[in-house]
Amino acid sequence: QVQLVQSGAEVKKPGASVKVPCKASGYTFTSHFIHWVRQAPGQGLEWMGIINPSGGSTSYAQKFQGRVTMTGDTSTSTVYMELSSLRSEDTAVYYCARGIIGDAYNSCDYWGQGTLVTVSS
Amino acid sequence: DIVVTQSPDSLAVSLGERATINCKSSQSVLYNSNNKNYLAWYQQKPGQPPKLLIYWASTRESGVPDRFSGSGSGTDFTLTISSLQAEDVAVYYCQQYYSTPFTFGPGTKVDIK
Repeated sequence: QVQLVQSGAEVKKPGASVKVPCKASGYTFTSHFIHWVRQAPGQGLEWMGIINPSGGSTSYAQKFQGRVTMTGDTSTSTVYMELSSLRSEDTAVYYCARGIIGDAYNSCDYWGQGTLVTVSS
Repeated sequence: DIVVTQSPDSLAVSLGERATINCKSSQSVLYNSNNKNYLAWYQQKPGQPPKLLIYWASTRESGVPDRFSGSGSGTDFTLTISSLQAEDVAVYYCQQYYSTPFTFGPGTKVDIK
């Protein structure tokens, strides 16, 4: 069965970076784009960007340009989202989600369980 | 960026009654070359990730009960729950995936009256 497994909660200090893994299984890793979406406590969903695990091409929301890097490792079927220069407003649950098969312009049919990143001094 | 809005912010419906949620995009998400609307609906329950309900504005995801339906085209869309069940209490989000960033609406909270 399709699974996206994310790591446990992280606590980071302002100015630090966090790298969140998302390990995929149960399907052909390179056949589906992976999206990253975050959700601040009690707030809505915010799309951060997308990566094509086949080749590694990415597209990031302008808001995160320069601070976010998404990478993929086909040998372990894992994608990573690294966010730098963390500030308190980055405290959120970070989700990876699989795009429906096809091109990048698709909805997400499977989601990871989320990783809570807390930024606090 | 395409701005996505939803109405109402919240609604309370009696069990077995119809719930209707509206979603509006600031520009058309209909791609003329394939006649598809790049609009999805998700359900999110507390402590859980979102769950895909509807994509291409009206295609129900596998396993989603047929009481959920999506309609609309261009800039105006609707999610309908034809007969609300207790397990449908959740926040519902629409999302456009016509152009990046793939923006979400602010969500609509559905409760039992």
